Amino acid sequence: DAGVIQSPRHEVTEMGQEVTLRCKPISGHNSLFWYRQTMMRGLELLIYFNNNVPIDDSGMPEDRFSAKMPNASFSTLKIQPSEPRDSAVYFCASRPPDQPQHFGDGTRLSIL
Amino acid sequence: QKEVEQNSGPLSVPEGAIASLNCTYSDRGSQSFFWYRQYSGKSPELIMFIYSNGDKEDGRFTAQLNKASQYVSLLIRDSQPSDSATYLCAVNDGYKLSFGAGTTVTVRA
Repeated sequence: DAGVIQSPRHEVTEMGQEVTLRCKPISGHNSLFWYRQTMMRGLELLIYFNNNVPIDDSGMPEDRFSAKMPNASFSTLKIQPSEPRDSAVYFCASRPPDQPQHFGDGTRLSIL
Repeated sequence: QKEVEQNSGPLSVPEGAIASLNCTYSDRGSQSFFWYRQYSGKSPELIMFIYSNGDKEDGRFTAQLNKASQYVSLLIRDSQPSDSATYLCAVNDGYKLSFGAGTTVTVRA
């Protein structure tokens, strides 16, 4: 079975550029999560979707961050404009009802 | 977000020994508890989950839960070099998980 698929795996871009991260959840999973992981802050939840609807975006750092889930098989996390402090590993995770989350391989983002 | 605390580590154990990882949580109402393993540069991988007080065994891994003490632990028996990783404790917080900072385990050959 295919797991959670994220793209790109690595992204290096200059400060001020727009960054778009993509996620395809596991088929049949109705919950999707975006996380950010850094050495200083650990694993932080950014936003949670249930049945394609954003339920909790309280973890989104600021207005530069936005996330969408136009259908059950695709979600994006966008940063515009990007800043060096956004450098981190961004994970997408999904789960079916009442089951544990499964993580994608992550996108390692470097903002120069 | 509810607090999840893990023993700070790093934890170094010899090959074949038992590695013991501890986790405490602040929300007495939490019902589900998870252990994820994360190799360096990789994503977290679910290795155990436990919902009821007591022990749950899966191969060389045993999860222990004590809701009265708000304590969950993970034992790794017969530790192998391949067990060297960071172990994340996660606690159900409604629909989402609250993660601890992780404990890094190194198994010495």
